[in-house]
This record gives sequence, structure tokens and C-alpha cells, in this order.
Amino acid sequence: KQEVTQIPAALSVPEGENLVLNCSFTDSAIYNLQWFRQDPGKGLTSLLLIQSSQREQTSGRLNASLDKSSGRSTLYIAASQPGDSATYLCAVAPRAGNNRKLIWGLGTSLGVNP
Amino acid sequence: EAQVTQNPRYLITVTGKKLTVTCSQNMNHEYMSWYRQDPGLGLRQIYYSMNVEVTDKGDVPEGYKVSRKEKRNFPLILESPSPNQTSLYFCASRKGGAVNEQFFGPGTRLTVL
Repeated sequence: KQEVTQIPAALSVPEGENLVLNCSFTDSAIYNLQWFRQDPGKGLTSLLLIQSSQREQTSGRLNASLDKSSGRSTLYIAASQPGDSATYLCAVAPRAGNNRKLIWGLGTSLGVNP
Repeated sequence: EAQVTQNPRYLITVTGKKLTVTCSQNMNHEYMSWYRQDPGLGLRQIYYSMNVEVTDKGDVPEGYKVSRKEKRNFPLILESPSPNQTSLYFCASRKGGAVNEQFFGPGTRLTVL
């Protein structure tokens, strides 16, 4: 059974720091992995999607990597800003099953202090 | 603008009073689903639909119903809401095929008293 874990659950950094958020999954048979951002009480915004055949994706100050063999993904945020404060969720699309539903981590709550 | 919309965004109701949360997408996506999000439990799928008239249960379907009469709409129905259905609900959609990006609605905050 696929399980997704995100560590740490919460992280607080000063503005300007580079930081890495971690996501691990137990079954490497996936179609893709997605990183989302969620602001308090609000919806989810897709940040990056990495297909299983890819190693990384970049968007602005964000870079996500995928290592399927070790079951790990990282989200790198460069030069963090207070506006980056949010909860970051990762989700995998497993190959097993007909539903093709996403399997979610519980998220990392990030606070960037001015 | 490509988007998933949900209504209402906030709802406070009482136990047993039937309600419907609407979901609509304008991207011609085949796959739609409903999730609920609860502290410490994360996002859990309630129901999903592969296409028009094709729906199936997710992980936590008890107490919910759905229908998919049109491709763009996927309403969530609570026939007799109970306090344990107080939660944040999200509708999502994507193109058919598991490799495609999933898009989410803004969420509906439901409180059942």
C-alpha cells in the first residue's frame, strides 16, 4: 500500500534562506508526483508536476526533484520570502488500482519570517 | 480562465438537513473527484468519476452521494448531514489518464451543528 510522508511537519526560516522540503513514498510504481501549495483555509494550487520519467522540474524559485528508486522527492525554494508561508503538500499518482487517485502526504507548514 | 468552481464556499447547517455542494469545471476534463480534508488526516477521497454516468466510491464514501449527468458538473450530496461531516471539501478534475495534472477548486468549508 502506497504511503506518503512529509518531514518536517513544520518549518520556520528567516527571509532570504534557501530551504528544502522533503517527501517520501513507499512504492516506486508511480505515474507522477505533484507538489501543491495551500494557504490557510483555502484551496490547493499546483506548483510542479514531475512525471515518473523525469528527474526534476523548475518554476521560478522552485525546483522539485524526483528519485523514484529511493522513493524521495524534494522541493527546493530559493531565496524564501514571507509570501512563501503556506502548507506544502506532495501527492503521488500510483500505478496500482483503477481509481488513479492521488495519495497525499500530510504536508509541511512553512513560515518565513521577515 | 481554466478553473474548477465550487459553491457555496462556506456553509453552516444543522443535522439532517439535506444539502448539495456544486462543482463545475470548464476544461473538458473526464476525471473528477471529491476530497475532504481534516486536521491530522490529510486529504481523503470521497467519490470519483471517470466520465459522464461513471462514478465510484473513494476511501470515505459513507454519508455522501454524487452524480455525473454532464461532463462539467459533479455535485456532492449530503442526504442527512451529521456533525462528523464537518470538514473542508475540495473538488478536483483532470484529463483522463493518470499522468495528467490535477486541478482543485477553492474549497467549501462545511459546518454541521
